[in-house]
Amino acid sequence: QQPVQSPQAVILREGEDAVINCSSSKALYSVHWYRQKHGEAPVFLMILLKGGEQKGHEKISASFNEKKQQSSLYLTASQLSYSGTYFCGTEMAGTYDYKLSFGAGTTVTVRA
Amino acid sequence: DAMVIQNPRYQVTQFGKPVTLSCSQTLNHNVMYWYQQKSSQAPKLLFHYYDKDFNNEADTPDNFQSRRPNTSFCFLDIRSPGLGDAAMYLCATSGSDGNNQPQHFGDGTRLSIL
Repeated sequence: QQPVQSPQAVILREGEDAVINCSSSKALYSVHWYRQKHGEAPVFLMILLKGGEQKGHEKISASFNEKKQQSSLYLTASQLSYSGTYFCGTEMAGTYDYKLSFGAGTTVTVRA
Repeated sequence: DAMVIQNPRYQVTQFGKPVTLSCSQTLNHNVMYWYQQKSSQAPKLLFHYYDKDFNNEADTPDNFQSRRPNTSFCFLDIRSPGLGDAAMYLCATSGSDGNNQPQHFGDGTRLSIL
């Protein structure tokens, strides 16, 4: 079942912060985050496992709220290089099938 | 560098003419995936392999077939491409050591149908 991502799009100026949310109606085992630039392949950012952990990649961090089945991606002090479409991919608890369901994506535009 | 390589980067075919897209990997990963991605949409899983075990998504059209002759290579065959099959096709791999392995994507093949 496809997770729900919000917002659909966000426009930032360099140095501003943003939060992208990814929610599921099903119990999750993990949440993956990827960034895709126009015309390129998605690039892996990080995986969050159930247990509410946080992780970081450069000044991008994420959290996973197991109770809410929601993950949030935090873009802090955004840089021009952060522009792209961010996808969350969710892995259902108990499935063990190595498959991800991707959200519809959030397009981030960072302007100078 | 270990990687996922897709050939060709751009493929043009005629309506109804069979086409094959290829993917190779040097990561020695057990799991390989084929995704279809249309403009401004999320990647849509077509099928995936765990070693030689083939797993087809329920909504993948019969027009799409796949072969994985060995660990390193995987092919996507589109038997009779229609205009609606024009898209970016992404190959990805992942390890199988636990269920929390990242997927590594190739650069994709952009398929156009004339």
